[in-house]
Amino acid sequence: DQQVKQNSPSLSVQEGRISILNCDYTNSMFDYFLWYKKYPAEGPTFLISISSIKDKNEDGRFTVFLNKSAKHLSLHIVPSQPGDSAVYFCAASALITGNQFYFGTGTSLTVIP
Amino acid sequence: DSGVTQTPKHLITATGQRVTLRCSPRSGDLSVYWYQQSLDQGLQFLIQYYNGEERAKGNILERFSAQQFPDLHSELNLSSLELGDSALYFCASSARPGTEAFFGQGTRLTVV
Repeated sequence: DQQVKQNSPSLSVQEGRISILNCDYTNSMFDYFLWYKKYPAEGPTFLISISSIKDKNEDGRFTVFLNKSAKHLSLHIVPSQPGDSAVYFCAASALITGNQFYFGTGTSLTVIP
Repeated sequence: DSGVTQTPKHLITATGQRVTLRCSPRSGDLSVYWYQQSLDQGLQFLIQYYNGEERAKGNILERFSAQQFPDLHSELNLSSLELGDSALYFCASSARPGTEAFFGQGTRLTVV
């Protein structure tokens, strides 16, 4: 049972434009959400997180939006750079289930120079 | 460098064998997580420890076991290995449950 879903396996964006990566979840108990970036043959790297008490968190070029009623979060990257090309995973956790992280299947972002 | 160290980086072994994967968490982190990533799959949660105690269990096979030692390093033991166990195994650590986790580089296990 996939509790965190990333329905777009891949995304291509021109350099300088906005990249929007989407993530949906099913468990209403999730209260903490994260985005990770992964290059081939490396471990995932933490990018940005958001608590369920917020609906937006920004860190430089990266902004995460959370819509609790829709059980949806998105990661915006502006402006996109070729070095952003990687696989992006969203993850969610809930205090009630011990805070284990449930990961989506990832979206492969390609930023075209 | 995330500060999480996993050894070995690569492991090739035969079916039926047993292997141990090791993880040293970031300094000060009390929580350790183990994940499996098979080819073209997402990260599947295996097990979580907090300060030496098992805190949560995911889709971990009975042939697999793990522990976290008093010095907070963790080991994942995989036994009676099958071809399907070939995967990347990641360890992650966080200061405490519910905070961002930092991942190691992973151990690539190949069962032949």
